[in-house]
Amino acid sequence: AQSVTQLGSHVSVSEGALVLLRCNYSSSVPPYLFWYVQYPNQGLQLLLKYTTGATLVKGINGFEAEFKKSETSFHLTKPSAHMSDAAEYFCAVGQGGSQGNLIFGKGTKLSVKP
Amino acid sequence: GAVVSQHPSRVICKSGTSVKIECRSLDFQATTMFWYRQFPKKSLMLMATSNEGSKATYEQGVEKDKFLINHASLTLSTLTVTSAHPEDSSFYICSARVTGVDAEAFFGQGTRLTVV
Repeated sequence: AQSVTQLGSHVSVSEGALVLLRCNYSSSVPPYLFWYVQYPNQGLQLLLKYTTGATLVKGINGFEAEFKKSETSFHLTKPSAHMSDAAEYFCAVGQGGSQGNLIFGKGTKLSVKP
Repeated sequence: GAVVSQHPSRVICKSGTSVKIECRSLDFQATTMFWYRQFPKKSLMLMATSNEGSKATYEQGVEKDKFLINHASLTLSTLTVTSAHPEDSSFYICSARVTGVDAEAFFGQGTRLTVV
């Protein structure tokens, strides 16, 4: 079975500060890992994904995440927060090919203070 | 990227009536689509997996007679909330994964259902 844990349901940073959203996973097979962003009353948009290869993955809007197998982590970072980054962020692990659903963490709400 | 369109984005209905939500893959074929329900300040809860041409697979605790899923074509899945009650009010989201083991899921815009 696979699962995802997102530490911190709410993270608040100042504009221009580093953003760090934590995600740990458990998986008995090599995982496929994803970060999604959700703005109010909207669906989810993919930020980035890790499948195989390079462990540092760059996504849209300046976000990146590093897959660390030894720590079973896939934390999301951004060097400098913008007001527009305020949203809900979900980490997810994929299971079983294209027919399998994604397992989502509980989400982390990011607030950005001016 | 692939596009999944969900309609309607918002719907208000009276208790006891039924509501249909459509999920379309616009530029790819999806043999499998997923229906999620999202409660306020909560994560996404998988309700069911919709398989083209066959019966949907429901997660434990989800009433299949309450939430009817039809996946009649490779580009369309529908979720019908039957005999809606106020407790069915929620945000419903569909998604589909493009073929490929590592493929991400593309999500519809979501449907805000309010039952009054």
